[in-house]
Amino acid sequence: GQNIDQPTEMTATEGAIVQINCTYQTSGFNGLFWYQQHAGEAPTFLSYNVLDGLEEKGRFSSFLSRSKGYSYLLLKELQMKDSASYLCAVSDSNYQLIWGAGTKLIIKP
Amino acid sequence: NAGVMQNPRHLVRRRGQEARLRCSPMKGHSHVYWYRQLPEEGLKFMVYLQKENIIDESGMPKERFSAEFPKEGPSILRIQQVVRGDSAAYFCASSKTNQGSNEKLFFGSGTQLSVL
Repeated sequence: GQNIDQPTEMTATEGAIVQINCTYQTSGFNGLFWYQQHAGEAPTFLSYNVLDGLEEKGRFSSFLSRSKGYSYLLLKELQMKDSASYLCAVSDSNYQLIWGAGTKLIIKP
Repeated sequence: NAGVMQNPRHLVRRRGQEARLRCSPMKGHSHVYWYRQLPEEGLKFMVYLQKENIIDESGMPKERFSAEFPKEGPSILRIQQVVRGDSAAYFCASSKTNQGSNEKLFFGSGTQLSVL
């Protein structure tokens, strides 16, 4: 079967760095997405990785290792507004998105 | 507002009634996807439509659920004879090109369906 695993919840301190991991087992791979979802709101796109390595975009970076079926989202200089759920999604061989359950990130002052 | 518009934001129905959820994609987008999300769970794909065509409905229950995206007007997700288990957030997303291009999706704010 297809499976995306992420930690359910993480807590971090304002100004710190946090890494949210995602491991996947899917039938085929055509890229991995990270989305941010604030409570009660729509998911919004953060990043897309299809090749191995690190993609940096401001305070957020995303890493992919296809051989390990592993990705992480790195958030630096955390702000209170970063409190949200972070969703990992993998595009499978049919280009259908398989979604993880999301990681709820709690930022404390 | 050029974003994906969903309405209503909240919908309350009694068991056995019909629920109609509407989604207007972003301007210029002709591909629409419907997802369902239960609390503490990930998004579950339901159906993918283009104008006047259902492309992939593999995630949608065969009974009571239907979807359409007419030539004119919004996409509609219709749930007949709702049951308590249908209570969930239903998100619509749109893209300019098809899923095969791995283009990012733009999501609406969702419709929270509560079945009493």
